[in-house]
Amino acid sequence: NAGVTQTPKFRVLKTGQSMTLLCAQDMNHEYMYWYRQDPGMGLRLIHYSVGEGTTAKGEVPDGYNVSRLKKQNFLLGLESAAPSQTSVYFCASRWRVEDTQYFGPGTRLTVL
Amino acid sequence: DAKTTQPPSMDCAEGRAANLPCNHSTISGNEYVYWYRQIHSQGPQYIIHGLKNNETNEMASLIITEDRKSSTLILPHATLRDTAVYYCILTVSLYQGGKLIFGQGTELSVKP
Repeated sequence: NAGVTQTPKFRVLKTGQSMTLLCAQDMNHEYMYWYRQDPGMGLRLIHYSVGEGTTAKGEVPDGYNVSRLKKQNFLLGLESAAPSQTSVYFCASRWRVEDTQYFGPGTRLTVL
Repeated sequence: DAKTTQPPSMDCAEGRAANLPCNHSTISGNEYVYWYRQIHSQGPQYIIHGLKNNETNEMASLIITEDRKSSTLILPHATLRDTAVYYCILTVSLYQGGKLIFGQGTELSVKP
């Protein structure tokens, strides 16, 4: 099993550009999450999904959209990137709500 | 807001036990205590979790007080590779998708 993978690993955008971050898991997990981590801080939840076709807002959802069209994939979109969205983005998944959350390796995004 | 309080940093000598405290005085009856760690900006790694009873696995032990208002993570024989930020997290209830709310964590430095 590859576990949780994230694509791309690094990306540099200009202000106003758009992009999509892909999270994939091969563990048949129901729950998936997108977090961001700014320097010196803990992770903050952006959006999450409790199953295929569902999404919900987390702590810091503004400026992001998500989709869960397939159970194994959770996409995070930035429609018009801003410098404030420069961060490291982590995806995570779990099978049941009481189970361990498994994290991906992260995507480092810089918005100029 | 995070519902846990941890010291911002701690030191530990290599080979000695590292005892990381966490206060969670407002914990609810159905909330689990989870511990994760993050090594040098990698994705967070699950360590251990518990509800009421003390728990032990191959990585660590978790001691939860009888009133559940605090807990201690014990790394029995710390190595240099245990240098990381350690997060104590309470799971949010089921209807919120089991999301994790990360605080600032404790930066553990294991020294030779």
